[in-house]
Amino acid sequence: EAGVAQSPRYKIIEKRQSVAFWCNPISGHATLYWYQQILGQGPKLLIQFQNNGVVDDSQLPKDRFSAERLKGVDSTLKIQPAKLEDSAVYLCASSWTGEREQYFGPGTRLTVT
Amino acid sequence: ILNVEQSPQSLHVQEGDSTNFTCSFPSSNFYALHWYRWETAKSPEALFVMTLNGDEKKKGRISATLNTKEGYSYLYIKGSQPEDSATYLCAFSTGGYQKVTFGTGTKLQVIP
Repeated sequence: EAGVAQSPRYKIIEKRQSVAFWCNPISGHATLYWYQQILGQGPKLLIQFQNNGVVDDSQLPKDRFSAERLKGVDSTLKIQPAKLEDSAVYLCASSWTGEREQYFGPGTRLTVT
Repeated sequence: ILNVEQSPQSLHVQEGDSTNFTCSFPSSNFYALHWYRWETAKSPEALFVMTLNGDEKKKGRISATLNTKEGYSYLYIKGSQPEDSATYLCAFSTGGYQKVTFGTGTKLQVIP
């Protein structure tokens, strides 16, 4: 089966610019996650969707970050405006409902200059 | 916010050496403990998901144990090979919607 797809793989922007990342989960996976992994730290959950509803966004900086999963399939994560500290790898993962194992995409490496 | 700790942060071993890492996690509201291997420029790959106290899992030269009462898990690699070089992440999930909290990872480099 096809894995989790993410694009772009790399992005360099200047601070105060906007950026968007796209994720297409494995077909049939109702649960979708966005993680932020800053160098030297573990991945941090930003937002978790169950179909097109938000289950957990407690660690999403809502003043600048937004995410949507309108049709319960693919998802976009946006940062507007970006700050230097947003430089990180943004990982998308998906899983079956109630399944413990998450399947990860290759990530998007964002550099904010 | 739950605290998941991994040690050591990084490790260099010679090819053929065996090694092990530790993951410590809260012992309350335990649902599952996950181990992932993350090679540079690739997707994190699931190694094991463990749910029961005393669980032991094995995949080739890699094995893991779980102690939920004291809140730790060990990952062992027997006879390390250069292709084992990666960051090994553990993650702890609670019940309900299974919120997952990752540790900071152990970066392993196997020297030929």
